[in-house]
Amino acid sequence: ETGVTQTPRHLVMGMTNKKSLKCEQHLGHNAMYWYKQSAKKPLELMFVYNFKEQTENNSVPSRFSPECPNSSHLFLHLHTLQPEDSALYLCASSQVGAAKNIQYFGAGTRLSVL
Amino acid sequence: SQQGEEDPQALSIQEGENATMNCSYKTSINILQWYRQNSGRGLVHLILIRSNEREKHSGRLRVTLDTSKKSSSLLITASRAADTASYFCATDAGAGANSKLTFGKGITLSVRP
Repeated sequence: ETGVTQTPRHLVMGMTNKKSLKCEQHLGHNAMYWYKQSAKKPLELMFVYNFKEQTENNSVPSRFSPECPNSSHLFLHLHTLQPEDSALYLCASSQVGAAKNIQYFGAGTRLSVL
Repeated sequence: SQQGEEDPQALSIQEGENATMNCSYKTSINILQWYRQNSGRGLVHLILIRSNEREKHSGRLRVTLDTSKKSSSLLITASRAADTASYFCATDAGAGANSKLTFGKGITLSVRP
């Protein structure tokens, strides 16, 4: 148990569906992250939130919409996705400003877009 | 890009042998970390080394950093079947509030019983 919980663990959706991924951290961290992990590719940073404010958006398509209502919760809202969006979506948290920026990851949501 | 690139891409060894994995990067860094990922799970932090350090140990793990060659190695001694996983290096050129990790593609390690 890393202290970061992601739900659901698996998700299958059609291209016209709307779904949301949820992440919750119990570590008291001030930063949360969304990553996309596809086979044979480096881990792709999608969004970063520091103290609930979005500080990074790495040219992510608008069909991915993040939401961070507080420092402990992070959502990724999905709408009209494409089959190439199928991947493992990982959430992480860390204490930015600490001596070491060690990130703690959730187990991920395996997304399949049909 | 200062993205870390690990090599080899895949490594298969016998239980009890040592596993050495390498990471190279392109620009100066402040910190380098190694993470492990079991199949279908999230990444778990293993060990961190700063740019002013040359070697760190943690249990069966040894990490070295050569800033002149912009490379790092992770050594797992006396490997076990449970060490089978993917291993990632992550580089960080920033510090404090400007800290940002950049991950490589990872190395798949298989340890045969």
